[in-house]
Amino acid sequence: AQKVTQAQTEISVVEKEDVTLDCVYETRDTTYYLFWYKQPPSGELVFLIRRNSFDEQNEISGRYSWNFQKSTSSFNFTITASQVVDSAVYFCALSEARGQNFVFGPGTRLSVLP
Amino acid sequence: EAGVAQSPRYKIIEKRQSVAFWCNPISGHATLYWYQQILGQGPKLLIQFQNNGVVDDSQLPKDRFSAERLKGVDSTLKIQPAKLEDSAVYLCASSYLSGSTDTQYFGPGTRLTVL
Repeated sequence: AQKVTQAQTEISVVEKEDVTLDCVYETRDTTYYLFWYKQPPSGELVFLIRRNSFDEQNEISGRYSWNFQKSTSSFNFTITASQVVDSAVYFCALSEARGQNFVFGPGTRLSVLP
Repeated sequence: EAGVAQSPRYKIIEKRQSVAFWCNPISGHATLYWYQQILGQGPKLLIQFQNNGVVDDSQLPKDRFSAERLKGVDSTLKIQPAKLEDSAVYLCASSYLSGSTDTQYFGPGTRLTVL
């Protein structure tokens, strides 16, 4: 069965600090997709990134970057120079290539203090 | 482009009552999902439709939950009868392509409180 673990329940940082959110996944599939979503206090889940299992290149988008390491089954998310608006719950998720069994992790609550 | 619409936004009922939630996905999106998000947890997939057919309902408590997606567009999720543990936010999402490998776009959710 597929599983996503986000060991950090809550993280607090001061504005402008860098922060990394960890995501470890389990799957028996060789082809799969990984996602990160943000859930701000308003409650609506916002898509951040999708990565397939064959693409291990790290990705950077502005202050956001993602490190995908198949060898350790991890897909970590780093926010550089954090801002108060980054405060939210962040979810890592996993999907089989067949397009079923979409699983979210438990989430990490990030608080960025001014 | 309009996003995923859900109604109502909030609902309070007593246990053993029935309740229904409605979702209108983004126009043209083939796949529609219903999730249950209990406070402090990640969303749990209840059911996934591809057009008007069910792809995955393995985690749907079928003794009390039902869902339909008539004509492959909007969808209704029903709970009958509700239990206290059904208190949660019910999220609807849709994706353009078939299958959950595509990016999902989420609605604002319906917060259900069962007393």
